[in-house]
Amino acid sequence: EDQVTQSPEALRLQEGESSSLNCSYTVSGLRGLFWYRQDPGKGPEFLFTLYSAGEEKEKERLKATLTKKESFLHITAPKPEDSATYLCAVRNFGNEKLTFGTGTRLTIIP
Amino acid sequence: KAGVTQTPRYLIKTRGQQVTLSCSPISGHRSVSWYQQTPGQGLQFLFEYFSETQRNKGNFPGRFSGRQFSNSRSEMNVSTLELGDSALYLCASSSLAGGLFTGELFFGEGSRLTVL
Repeated sequence: EDQVTQSPEALRLQEGESSSLNCSYTVSGLRGLFWYRQDPGKGPEFLFTLYSAGEEKEKERLKATLTKKESFLHITAPKPEDSATYLCAVRNFGNEKLTFGTGTRLTIIP
Repeated sequence: KAGVTQTPRYLIKTRGQQVTLSCSPISGHRSVSWYQQTPGQGLQFLFEYFSETQRNKGNFPGRFSGRQFSNSRSEMNVSTLELGDSALYLCASSSLAGGLFTGELFFGEGSRLTVL
């Protein structure tokens, strides 16, 4: 069965303090790994898709990277508006099911 | 372009009742999937529909069912509600890219179900 583990569960950073969120996965055939952002009371919002080890994607202060066993979401010089829960998910190549991790709740303190 | 619309946004039911939730996908999207989100378990996949056919089903009991209509709108039903069914139910729609399903899901804001 596919598994996605995210760490840490929660992270508090000062504004401008860069850090990384981790997503470890086990999947029998990776079709893609996805990052989402979820604000309180809202549905998740798509950020990135990564398909193969070595791939990187960037968007503003966020950069996602992928290896064969894990993905990192790097946050550079974060701002308070980056506070949210960040979710990682994998889609299985065989059954195409999407499996989510439980997320990292990020708080950026002004 | 309008996003994914879910109704109702909030509802309260008692144990043993049943509930129907509705989802209207983004115009042109033919794939609709449903997720249950709880604080302890995170987002758990319920089912996925494409062109009125169920493509995938998660590990939920038969009390959870769904369907998709010819206009791509979808409904999910939970019968004989239990306290543990209290959760945020999220619907997401997506389109195909090169014939393949992408991971870019567009989520609605969810229907928050409380079972008393």
